[in-house]
Amino acid sequence: DAKTTQPPSMDCAEGRAANLPCNHSTISGNEYVYWYRQIHSQGPQYIIHGLKNNETNEMASLIITEDRKSSTLILPHATLRDTAVYYCIVLFSGNTGKLIFGQGTTLQVKP
Amino acid sequence: GAVVSQHPSRVICKSGTSVKIECRSLDFQATTMFWYRQFPKQSLMLMATSNEGSKATYEQGVEKDKFLINHASLTLSTLTVTSAHPEDSSFYICSPIQGSAYNSPLHFGNGTRLTVT
Repeated sequence: DAKTTQPPSMDCAEGRAANLPCNHSTISGNEYVYWYRQIHSQGPQYIIHGLKNNETNEMASLIITEDRKSSTLILPHATLRDTAVYYCIVLFSGNTGKLIFGQGTTLQVKP
Repeated sequence: GAVVSQHPSRVICKSGTSVKIECRSLDFQATTMFWYRQFPKQSLMLMATSNEGSKATYEQGVEKDKFLINHASLTLSTLTVTSAHPEDSSFYICSPIQGSAYNSPLHFGNGTRLTVT
């Protein structure tokens, strides 16, 4: 599976949009981009995933560049409860569910 | 609601004792179970993969005789930390999979905080 690169930490003001970038320059055509987050002392929580089209759900939006070498997770109106570590993971489409977690981005939402 | 139930959420045990952690999939039959471990300020590391009715596959560096995995049914898998030592203190997390995980969100238990004194 392709490796991802994320900034180690980011701050965001409460109520503002949080834009979390992820580089996956070695992604191949059949690999999906998944985003999870982990709030302190809890298990990871699925947020969103996509292949090449932008995706939106009730939690977030995922913007994938046309060349698929990078993506951005957008939390449209960040709240204090969105403070967490966000993981961007690339998975082969026939994946077995085995996830390789990087260090992720620690997002701190501030009042 | 939760689709994965992991118990206990936290446990403190004395060095040399064994601890069993249970992971139940509530909404589906888990043909595969992943067990992860997370040390403080670090990311999750996969420990082992188990398939219902067969022996678990362990990642490099994980002792199979120390971390016993039983996946006897499609809704329950257990991880037993045998003869625990302080260095085994960690956050253990399970992730059950139904069939192939192809294009599906993956679910995780809420973790077990193990402290060995």
